[in-house]
Amino acid sequence: AQSVTQPDIHITVSEGASLELRCNYSYGATPYLFWYVQSPGQGLQLLLKYFSGDTLVQGIKGFEAEFKRSQSSFNLRKPSVHWSDAAEYFCAVASVGFQKLVFGTGTRLLVSP
Amino acid sequence: DTEVTQTPKHLVMGMTNKKSLKCEQHMGHRAMYWYKQKAKKPPELMFVYSYEKLSINESVPSRFSPECPNSSLLNLHLHALQPEDSALYLCASSQSGQQETQYFGPGTRLLVL
Repeated sequence: AQSVTQPDIHITVSEGASLELRCNYSYGATPYLFWYVQSPGQGLQLLLKYFSGDTLVQGIKGFEAEFKRSQSSFNLRKPSVHWSDAAEYFCAVASVGFQKLVFGTGTRLLVSP
Repeated sequence: DTEVTQTPKHLVMGMTNKKSLKCEQHMGHRAMYWYKQKAKKPPELMFVYSYEKLSINESVPSRFSPECPNSSLLNLHLHALQPEDSALYLCASSQSGQQETQYFGPGTRLLVL
């Protein structure tokens, strides 16, 4: 069965600094990978997705992610963090032929002034 | 427009009450989903409807009863809930339920007393 690991529960970044959130997946075939962001008490907003093709994916709000098959990773990056980026970030994987989206445990991003 | 709406935003109910959560989308999507999210946890899939038919039930207790009256509307009927059912209930939709992007609503925060 597919699974997703987000090893960092919390990350604190200074405003203006760069950000990288880690995501590792376990899946035998080519995965469909997503990053979602959730502000407190809100629903999930899609940041970006990888289905196939170029392994560097651009998303909304200046985020990007790189799919590395050899490392089973799909890390999220942003060159300069804004205070409004403080939220919970979820990596997710969907398996081919199935409708199920499996989420990692999430990483809470705190942005310090 | 990638909007999924959910009503009500908040719901407080007793263990003997019957209530319903409503989810609506007008994107022409044919797959709709219910997720349950406990505090500080990732969303967990409950049900999937594909073309108005229940395609996945993740062994959810019968006190939760989903209904899909048409392709735009998804309900979750609640009866005899327990305090541990208190959570954020998220609705999502996707084009046809085959590894496309799922778009989430803002959720209904449920408190069972």
